[in-house]
Amino acid sequence: QKEVEQNSGPLSVPEGAIASLNCTYSDRVSQSFFWYRQYSGKSPELIMSIYSNGDKEDGRFTAQLNKASQYVSLLIRDSQPSDSATYLCAVIQRGAQKLVFGQGTRLTINP
Amino acid sequence: DVKVTQSSRYLVKRTGEKVFLECVQDMDHENMFWYRQDPGLGLRLIYFSYDVKMKEKGDIPEGYSVSREKKERFSLILESASTNQTSMYLCASSQKPGQNTEAFFGQGTRLTVV
Repeated sequence: QKEVEQNSGPLSVPEGAIASLNCTYSDRVSQSFFWYRQYSGKSPELIMSIYSNGDKEDGRFTAQLNKASQYVSLLIRDSQPSDSATYLCAVIQRGAQKLVFGQGTRLTINP
Repeated sequence: DVKVTQSSRYLVKRTGEKVFLECVQDMDHENMFWYRQDPGLGLRLIYFSYDVKMKEKGDIPEGYSVSREKKERFSLILESASTNQTSMYLCASSQKPGQNTEAFFGQGTRLTVV
């Protein structure tokens, strides 16, 4: 079982709609969770971090964490063509300093 | 702003060469990471370091070694480059575990081994 799993997509969403990206992780003691966005040919850049159960909102982005279900998600409201990118979920395990990534979900926003 | 700088954007090396990829960060971060990224496989961790002279194997360490003699610098070494090591290599750094442990990435080095 992979430590961090994402649906690789591609996920296609119309402009203005909500894009929903999902991630599951295998280690129950994971404590820190991140969403990165990566444009083609560029390095990943941090969008959101979340450390406790519940929702965390930042502008059009909302991260959701459910530790009981070992599930973290990212919602993008009012999707824009500029949101088209690969989104990477990353996890740090408690007591460890190893940062592990999922394989990424490619998102396309259609005008 | 955090700055993570990788020494080269593009490299072309011959099979069997010893290759050094350098990474420097300017935010006094304890943790540094080396990943490779290949289509469909995401970011795979090669090695990471949580302190000077300390290193831990990641998920795919075979064929690689690392060096961290100073806190700000983390080097990835391909002892004898092979064509299957052609890839995008990404360096990242972060603070030690606690809050605000997000990692920041360098611009990447696209290595081609011929």
